[in-house]
Amino acid sequence: DQQVKQNSPSLSVQEGRISILNCDYTNSMFDYFLWYKKYPAEGPTFLISISSIKDKNEDGRFTVFLNKSAKHLSLHIVPSQPGDSAVYFCAAGSAGGTSYGKLTFGQGTILTVHP
Amino acid sequence: NAGVTQTPKFRVLKTGQSMTLLCAQDMNHEYMYWYRQDPGMGLRLIHYSVGEGTTAKGEVPDGYNVSRLKKQNFLLGLESAAPSQTSVYFCASSYGQSHGYTFGSGTRLTVV
Repeated sequence: DQQVKQNSPSLSVQEGRISILNCDYTNSMFDYFLWYKKYPAEGPTFLISISSIKDKNEDGRFTVFLNKSAKHLSLHIVPSQPGDSAVYFCAAGSAGGTSYGKLTFGQGTILTVHP
Repeated sequence: NAGVTQTPKFRVLKTGQSMTLLCAQDMNHEYMYWYRQDPGMGLRLIHYSVGEGTTAKGEVPDGYNVSRLKKQNFLLGLESAAPSQTSVYFCASSYGQSHGYTFGSGTRLTVV
């Protein structure tokens, strides 16, 4: 039972255009969401997050949108750059109870930005 | 530099051998986690710890044991390695609830 799903294994985008990465979740207890970026042979690094009380969070070229009714979030990268080429993981967590900060991750989407 | 350090970075084991993966963090984080990454599966939680002397099972704990004798260290043990444990292992630490993780650079383990 995959509670966080990234249905697109890969995405290819031209430099300067918008990249949109999607993520769906099933557990209504999740109340914060994060995106991580991973280069080969490195650990994932935190990119941006959003709380369930918001529907949008922006940080420079990166914006995350949350649609709670659809249990869907997306990461927009504008404009895309070749250095953005990496694997992107969506993650979700629940702040309350005995969650202890545990995150559930999606399968990842490989983004390739062509010059 | 502050962060999470994993050792070793690479290891090849024969079926049935044992080994310990070490994770060390210098950020005074309370929470620590071990994940494995497999193709098409994303990152799956093996075990986690919410403080020194505590450990708990995650999503895929079978075949692994952990210990957190000191706050800064979280050890992952494989008592009898199996080919199904071939994976990339990531350790992470966190300040607490609702905070993101800081990951180590990973250990690539191959069991033959």
